Amino acid sequence: EVQLVESGGGLVQPGRSMKLSCAASGFTFNNYDMAWVCQAPKKGLEWVATISYDGSSTYYRDSVKGRFTISRDNAKSSLYLQMNSLKSEDTATYYCARHRGSSNWFAYWGQGTLVTVSS
Amino acid sequence: IQLTQSPSLLSASVGDRVTLSCKGSQNINNYLAWYQQKLGEAPKLLIYNTNSLQTGIPSRFSGSGSGTQYSLKINSLQSEDVSIYFCQQNYDSPLTFGSGTKLEIK
Repeated sequence: EVQLVESGGGLVQPGRSMKLSCAASGFTFNNYDMAWVCQAPKKGLEWVATISYDGSSTYYRDSVKGRFTISRDNAKSSLYLQMNSLKSEDTATYYCARHRGSSNWFAYWGQGTLVTVSS
Repeated sequence: IQLTQSPSLLSASVGDRVTLSCKGSQNINNYLAWYQQKLGEAPKLLIYNTNSLQTGIPSRFSGSGSGTQYSLKINSLQSEDVSIYFCQQNYDSPLTFGSGTKLEIK
């Protein structure tokens, strides 16, 4: 059974940093591209970033470029999101998601971790 | 690419056939998926590439469309189908989602 378990969320002040983690199991982690997708409270979904199966390529939405870094450790079957210079508009639940094969559909999602940026 | 979903709220009875719509701000060449999100849960992929059913999803769900206009149909609505449904395009970066249709049971 595919499982994705996020951790690392919480309350953080504007301008500070936070690192999210996602532990994957139930599939061959290094075969799949992975992503972070966020959802602001009572809002819709927003793709944040994607990393290729081997970590060689990364892609970001414009609003987080230069502030967020997606990375992975295939030996640990783990995905990360380093978030720097956080803003109030970054407040959201962050989901770890596995791409469907080599496509940009999201076949499996974790339960999410809430990040609240507030002073 | 912006995706506009309609209606934003849909109320229907158990057993009804319902249709949810998603319109792109430009042609997305069938690179369209649908997700179901139940209250307090993560989204679940239902349909991808406009009309391909994800493994394990009941056959009462189906997708269609082309160009800028797409739809999700649910045949014989069940009480467990109460959810918010999002569409997503994969034609161009950034990947974008619609704002969702909330489906309720009358």
